[in-house]
Amino acid sequence: EVQLVESGGALVKPGGSLRLSCAASGFSFSTYAMNWVRQAPGKGLEWVSSISRSGTFIYYPDSLKGRFTISRDNAKNSLYLQMNSLGADDTAVYFCARVLSGYGDYGPLDSWGQGTLVTVSS
Amino acid sequence: DIQMTQSPSSLSASVGDRVTITCQASQDIDNHLHWYQQKPGKAPKLLIYDAFNLKTGVPSRFSGSGSGKDYTFTISSLQPEDLATYYCQQYDYLPLTFGGGTKVEIK
Repeated sequence: EVQLVESGGALVKPGGSLRLSCAASGFSFSTYAMNWVRQAPGKGLEWVSSISRSGTFIYYPDSLKGRFTISRDNAKNSLYLQMNSLGADDTAVYFCARVLSGYGDYGPLDSWGQGTLVTVSS
Repeated sequence: DIQMTQSPSSLSASVGDRVTITCQASQDIDNHLHWYQQKPGKAPKLLIYDAFNLKTGVPSRFSGSGSGKDYTFTISSLQPEDLATYYCQQYDYLPLTFGGGTKVEIK
């Protein structure tokens, strides 16, 4: 069974940093591109980042470039999101999601974790 | 960025009704569109990919159609378990963008 389990969400002060993790199991992690998607409380979905199977290719929306860094460790079946200079509008549930097999680095997201809550507040 | 305009933002329908949701992109996205279902308090689930392909295991009452800028998601016979918010998402151009969502309620 495919499982994605996020962790690392916490209450953090404005300007602070946080590193999220996503532990994958039940599939060959290194053969799938991965994404992070977030959802602010009561709001819609927002794409955060994508990373290729090997980690060579990485993508962000312009609004997050320079503050967020996606990475992966295929030996540990893990995906990460380093978030710096956090502000109140980064408050959200952060989901990791797998790209459907046969697609590129940011195709349909066929499996999602349950999400981890990041709250940015003083 | 490609804007995805989804409508309606909410709807209420009875069990057995046909439900239709539309998603309009700000430019041609060449069928590079997916539909997700998000039940309250849960993660999204992929239902339809590339405009009309049903993900394995998804009930056949769900379907998608469209082309160019305009896409439609249909539930042919609404069931109580379909209570959820539905999102479209394009991947033709980065950044990936989602529609605002359609909340489906059961009368």
